[in-house]
Amino acid sequence: QSVLTQPPSVSGAPGQRVTISCTGSSSNIGAGYDVHWYQQLPGTVPKLLIYGNINRPSGVPDRFSGSKSGTSASLAITGLQAEDEADYYCQSYDSSLSVSVFGGGTKLTVL
Amino acid sequence: QLQLQESGPGLVKPSETLSLTCTVSGGSISSSNYYCGWIRQPPGKGLEWIGTIYYSGSTYYNPSLKSRVTISVDTSKNQFSLKLSSVTAADTAVYYCAREAGSFSWFDPWGQGTLVTVSS
Repeated sequence: QSVLTQPPSVSGAPGQRVTISCTGSSSNIGAGYDVHWYQQLPGTVPKLLIYGNINRPSGVPDRFSGSKSGTSASLAITGLQAEDEADYYCQSYDSSLSVSVFGGGTKLTVL
Repeated sequence: QLQLQESGPGLVKPSETLSLTCTVSGGSISSSNYYCGWIRQPPGKGLEWIGTIYYSGSTYYNPSLKSRVTISVDTSKNQFSLKLSSVTAADTAVYYCAREAGSFSWFDPWGQGTLVTVSS
């Protein structure tokens, strides 16, 4: 059980918008620590998708966006494409545990 | 372009020590503020942070693994190393090294990962 809670799965049709939530607490996201997001395509290495809550590394399409409010963060994907089918993980820092923490991951299925 | 690559035995016996090396290419780890993190992923499961080392040698460990983990750096070889002692089947995972942007920050880029199986 991770301290960052993500829905196990989400789905959407091509072209639609989906969001993936990452819920934490007052010792991590709520304490102001940044949230980062990773995409892990099947059988591949996790890839940084969003860093510092809202920033996209070079090469990441602007269909991907991040936001943060209170003790939660969200990853939004617009114009869903088949190639977006992957596992998505959020990551932050927890001050009470003194660890970098990952969410449990969300499997995105493109219908 | 910075690249990281893990290497080490793919099979370790229970109660023994897992040893992995992360070799960095495309940049010198001693020439900048360089943090390296180790992360693992059991088959079919999520990601777990193991620990981080700064190029100067300062380390940060996951408390749940701290008693068994040692992370070290060899700047002359541009390498980081992970040792995990007294392994059990629960330590079977793909082990990744990744550059960390700062202490307790994001990880990018990642190595390709190496599967370590704990079995007799």
